[in-house]
Amino acid sequence: QVQLVQSGAEVKKPGASVKVSCKAAGYTLTGYWMHWVRQAPGQGLEWMGCINLNSGDTHSTQNFQDRVTMTKDTSISTAYMELSSLRSDDTAVYYCAREKSGTSTFDVWGQGTMVTVSS
Amino acid sequence: QSALTQPASVSGSPGQSITISCTGSSSDVGGYNLVSWFQQHPGKAPKLMIYDVSNRPSGVSNRFSGSKSGNTASLTISGLQAEDEADYYCHSYRTISSYVFGTGTKVTVL
Repeated sequence: QVQLVQSGAEVKKPGASVKVSCKAAGYTLTGYWMHWVRQAPGQGLEWMGCINLNSGDTHSTQNFQDRVTMTKDTSISTAYMELSSLRSDDTAVYYCAREKSGTSTFDVWGQGTMVTVSS
Repeated sequence: QSALTQPASVSGSPGQSITISCTGSSSDVGGYNLVSWFQQHPGKAPKLMIYDVSNRPSGVSNRFSGSKSGNTASLTISGLQAEDEADYYCHSYRTISSYVFGTGTKVTVL
């Protein structure tokens, strides 16, 4: 069964960094793009960026360009998203999502990781 | 970095049909046939319902259909059922190498 399993909830202080992992099971990680999407409490979905799991090329929205780092470790079928200089408004559920081959949509999603930023 | 525009809420009675609109621009919805729709139940991850404007993934009911005209995409749910009550988000590729979601629509089954 194809699935993405994310790391557990995190509580961070303002100014700190958080690194969320996303492990693929049931398929080969390479050959796909992995996207990161977040959802603040009671709010909508926000696309953050993506990483090519072959080349390591990344794209991200201007909102996060200076603070987000996306990486991969194909030896353990895992993608990572690190967000730095955390603020209270970064409190959200962070999802990884696999880009469906040959399309620009997301067919498999992780279960989400709650990140709380609080002093 | 503005989101695509969706109505905040849409409601209908069981068995009825409803349509959710998603308005963007020529840089996203209107410029590419790369519109998707996701369903999200409370506390759950989004689920892909429609991709490339009108294609349904395997396992998604044919009561869900998508279309597009100009800068506006639409999701129609026919034969509305209680289980369809959820939040729905449109999504599109946006120039250049970027993606954008809609503001989200809460569907209520009366």
